[in-house]
Amino acid sequence: QQQVKQSPQSLIVQKGGISIINCAYENTAFDYFPWYQQFPGKGPALLIAIRPDVSEKKEGRFTISFNKSAKQFSLHIMDSQPGDSATYFCAAHLNQAGTALIFGKGTTLSVSS
Amino acid sequence: GAVVSQHPSWVICKSGTSVKIECRSLDFQATTMFWYRQFPKQSLMLMATSNEGSKATYEQGVEKDKFLINHASLTLSTLTVTSAHPEDSSFYICSAPGGPSYNEQFFGPGTRLTVL
Repeated sequence: QQQVKQSPQSLIVQKGGISIINCAYENTAFDYFPWYQQFPGKGPALLIAIRPDVSEKKEGRFTISFNKSAKQFSLHIMDSQPGDSATYFCAAHLNQAGTALIFGKGTTLSVSS
Repeated sequence: GAVVSQHPSWVICKSGTSVKIECRSLDFQATTMFWYRQFPKQSLMLMATSNEGSKATYEQGVEKDKFLINHASLTLSTLTVTSAHPEDSSFYICSAPGGPSYNEQFFGPGTRLTVL
């Protein structure tokens, strides 16, 4: 019940295309859903995050879509660029101090030029 | 946003030696910090929760006598890998909650440990 399932494991998108990564969770007590971007040899960096009271959040080319009833959320990267090539992790967090993020297994995105 | 640093960024050591990794919150205080380990092409695996002024909480399967955690101040947590072996070679990352809510977590740049 603590898992966050992420798919696909890897994704190849042409430059200018839309990259879509999906995540699903079971625990309805989660109340914060961030996406992290990680480049090789670097720590994860927060990309965008959403709470369950909204269905969509957009920041630049990055959009999170959230479906509370289905317990699913997804990251959309519009106009994908080669510089977006990285590993993306979805995560979930309980509204409780001192608890860690629960991570998905990650998606390796390659944007071809 | 809040900044978390780690030192060193990479370290190579001989089998049997101990290695200390520092995690610092630079512009905020962190009563809690988290230590993760990441193997190549895998996700982050939570090792332990570090609490300022008290003992760390270790995840199941993580040897607390091998991975010593000390959170001596509100801005510093250390992870010491004792008697390191080649299988301990990994990318170690710390994080700390920051910002206006419990939820936001800020990650350090990671430390690459290679044990020969």
